[in-house]
Amino acid sequence: EAQVTQNPRYLITVTGKKLTVTCSQNMNHEYMSWYRQDPGLGLRQIYYSMNVEVTDKGDVPEGYKVSRKEKRNFPLILESPSPNQTSLYFCASTGGDETQYFGPGTRLLVL
Amino acid sequence: AQSVTQLDSHVSVSEGTPVLLRCNYSSSYSPSLFWYVQHPNKGLQLLLKYTSAATLVKGINGFEAEFKKSETSFHLTKPSAHMSDAAEYFCVVSESKGLYNTDKLIFGTGTRLQVFP
Repeated sequence: EAQVTQNPRYLITVTGKKLTVTCSQNMNHEYMSWYRQDPGLGLRQIYYSMNVEVTDKGDVPEGYKVSRKEKRNFPLILESPSPNQTSLYFCASTGGDETQYFGPGTRLLVL
Repeated sequence: AQSVTQLDSHVSVSEGTPVLLRCNYSSSYSPSLFWYVQHPNKGLQLLLKYTSAATLVKGINGFEAEFKKSETSFHLTKPSAHMSDAAEYFCVVSESKGLYNTDKLIFGTGTRLQVFP
């Protein structure tokens, strides 16, 4: 089954404690993205990657890092989380037909 | 730069009545347009997409949308609402990155659809 998986699905942490949210896709897609969803703001792109070792900033990259060492994986790293990064995060991968496939989301609370 | 505006943050309808969710876009190029649906505590699911073929696009679950270039609109409709349609809907425009021919999605702020019995 074609899918995008994210882990963890729910996470509560404290300010400054580094965390990583993993994302994996099994569709051999080159393009992957991370979004955050906040009430009234829709989804905003954090980072994207066009292929292995090729990443670039989206609209709201501050406080985040990503890496793309393998085609299937695109982890999101928060080196020093802050309360304003409390949000719902989605990973997505894009097929050749421009359709984006979204993961189930990771709900993060930073205290 | 491309942008998308969803004109209603909330829409309420009775079951069995028509649904209209409005979306306007701005684009310097021929855009690709999408509607995604998000049910409570779920990820996003593609409803339908327009990519410069037929202007009337049919999607899943009886939804359809019409691309109107003169009005820069891509409104989502359904003839008869069902209780299971209650969800949040996002209108999305695709922004071409040009050189790498990959597309960034610009999301609207969402419309929450409520369906009453």
